Amino acid sequence: DAKTTQPPSMDCAEGRAANLPCNHSTISGNEYVYWYRQIHSQGPQYIIHGLKNNETNEMASLIITEDRKSSTLILPHATLRDTAVYYCIAPGLDSNYQLIWGAGTKLIIKP
Amino acid sequence: DTAVSQTPKYLVTQMGNDKSIKCEQNLGHDTMYWYKQDSKKFLKIMFSYNNKELIINETVPNRFSPKSPDKAHLNLHINSLELGDSAVYFCASSQDWGVKGYEQYFGPGTRLTVT
Repeated sequence: DAKTTQPPSMDCAEGRAANLPCNHSTISGNEYVYWYRQIHSQGPQYIIHGLKNNETNEMASLIITEDRKSSTLILPHATLRDTAVYYCIAPGLDSNYQLIWGAGTKLIIKP
Repeated sequence: DTAVSQTPKYLVTQMGNDKSIKCEQNLGHDTMYWYKQDSKKFLKIMFSYNNKELIINETVPNRFSPKSPDKAHLNLHINSLELGDSAVYFCASSQDWGVKGYEQYFGPGTRLTVT
């Protein structure tokens, strides 16, 4: 697995864009970056994944730097319901196809 | 429609008892997982089944025994429960094993409390 580093916590004002960074400087060329979130007392929820191109879906956008050493998950108009722990995972060929979960970033959306 | 469901949602029991947690997915997925999330909130894989066959067994005590009667169901039986088994257990599923297994869909969790 490419080791990922995320800030332990972040705040964002409701209605603003929430930008969650992730560092994965040891990622190899064919390893994807996956984002999940876990709202309090719920199961983790898949958000988005990408390899090298930017990706967008109905939940979020994923911006991956050209050197692929970092990425940013963007929630364009954060709502209170987006308060959650966000996990950035870069499963590698040595992971036996497992997701290895870190501590993630606790995102708090403030009214 | 609930994609991945687990029963029960809460389970309180005494040390030494045997209990089961059930999981069902209606996504038509081939692969299912059990995770444990302890009080420190780290998620750890316990087991994974692909097409009813066990493919991951992560240093889990023998007291934990998964069983997959069909591709849509993965149950977890725990014998001789211990205090340290208290945690939230999540079931998940993915379309397939391998790279397609990185996109997983989780159930709501079962909070197990052993007293």
